[in-house]
Amino acid sequence: AQSVTQPDIHITVSEGASLELRCNYSYGATPYLFWYVQSPGQGLQLLLKYFSGDTLVQGIKGFEAEFKRSQSSFNLRKPSVHWSDAAEYFCAVSMDSNYQLIWGAGTKLIIKP
Amino acid sequence: NAGVTQTPKFQVLKTGQSMTLQCAQDMNHNSMYWYRQDPGMGLRLIYYSASEGTTDKGEVPNGYNVSRLNKREFSLRLESAAPSQTSVYFCASSGEGTAGNTIYFGEGSWLTVV
Repeated sequence: AQSVTQPDIHITVSEGASLELRCNYSYGATPYLFWYVQSPGQGLQLLLKYFSGDTLVQGIKGFEAEFKRSQSSFNLRKPSVHWSDAAEYFCAVSMDSNYQLIWGAGTKLIIKP
Repeated sequence: NAGVTQTPKFQVLKTGQSMTLQCAQDMNHNSMYWYRQDPGMGLRLIYYSASEGTTDKGEVPNGYNVSRLNKREFSLRLESAAPSQTSVYFCASSGEGTAGNTIYFGEGSWLTVV
């Protein structure tokens, strides 16, 4: 069965430090991959998505993600985090049905001043 | 820019009561979704509507019903609320399905069933 794994429930990073959030998926076909961010008390907002082409994808707010087919991974990165990046981050994969996404459980990012 | 609007934002129900969550989008999207979010479980799809006039079950449909009233509106009804339905509910929409398309979310409805 298809699945998405975000192995880190919480990550704490100092402001100004680099960030990498991990996402691994189990899916047979070429996946559509997404990263969404959820600020406290808010809905989810798309950061970036990948479905073909260059495996390094640029998103909003200075985030990028790299698709590695050999590792079944789509890790999210940012060179220097800001306090406003504190939020929960969700990785998702689109299924064959075209109307259902499989979601990871989320990684909560905590920023230390 | 209203995007996806859902109401109410907060609701407390007693076990056995019924209620309807309302959702509307102004982006002329064909596809709409209802998700629930529980701690440590990510988002789970309750129902979706690929286009006006159609609805389909998602991963966790039991205890819920939906209505795609028109292209803009997609409501979620709890006929007899149970404590297990305490959750945060999100309505969402996309142009045409999820493959490669951005899903736009409402701000959520916090539901507590006591």
